[in-house]
Amino acid sequence: GAVVSQHPSRVICKSGTSVKIECRSLDFQATTMFWYRQFPKKSLMLMATSNEGSKATYEQGVEKDKFLINHASLTLSTLTVTSAHPEDSSFYICSARRLAGGPGEQYFGPGTRLTVT
Amino acid sequence: AQTVTQSQPEMSVQEAETVTLSCTYDTSESNYYLFWYKQPPSRQMILVIRQEAYKQQNATENRFSVNFQKAAKSFSLKISDSQLGDTAMYFCAFMKHDQGGSEKLVFGKGTKLTVNP
Repeated sequence: GAVVSQHPSRVICKSGTSVKIECRSLDFQATTMFWYRQFPKKSLMLMATSNEGSKATYEQGVEKDKFLINHASLTLSTLTVTSAHPEDSSFYICSARRLAGGPGEQYFGPGTRLTVT
Repeated sequence: AQTVTQSQPEMSVQEAETVTLSCTYDTSESNYYLFWYKQPPSRQMILVIRQEAYKQQNATENRFSVNFQKAAKSFSLKISDSQLGDTAMYFCAFMKHDQGGSEKLVFGKGTKLTVNP
């Protein structure tokens, strides 16, 4: 149980376009979802925390208007990278926390490799 | 702000042997949690083990155990009887105890572990 999927797994887009990444909890309801960014050989950096039905909380330095997060249901959160630029190329990972989970018990998706050309 | 330091970028171990991964952290919090996450080549992060700071007893999960030294702010992971499937990036993570339910994980930069046959 506790499976999180991400779609797409890989995406290539042109500079200036927008791309949407979906994060789904397949067999549990996720009260909270998290979006991370991982650079090569670097750690995961939390971008934002989203709770179902409310606005996301962004970490310092993360542009809200550039990285739009929507958590419309208890099983789906989306991250939209707007007006993408090559520096946005990265590995984006979501995680989900279920209501009955223990502290820090986040279930991670397999990630989405974004390449902006 | 909390920081997590993993001083070993890469390590290797022979199959069936024991290996210890180091992690230190810095915080002024008294109540918090520590975690080890595993990220295999497939990229999906998996929680390996969790330690509550208020518990003196070191957490264990099968072949995985930790050595938690609160005063020294040290949290090492020991993997016994290493298996080829243990090959992965291992991330140490910190989370402060937040009554409001915030679940922000702060990750170290990771240690790449290779188990050799």
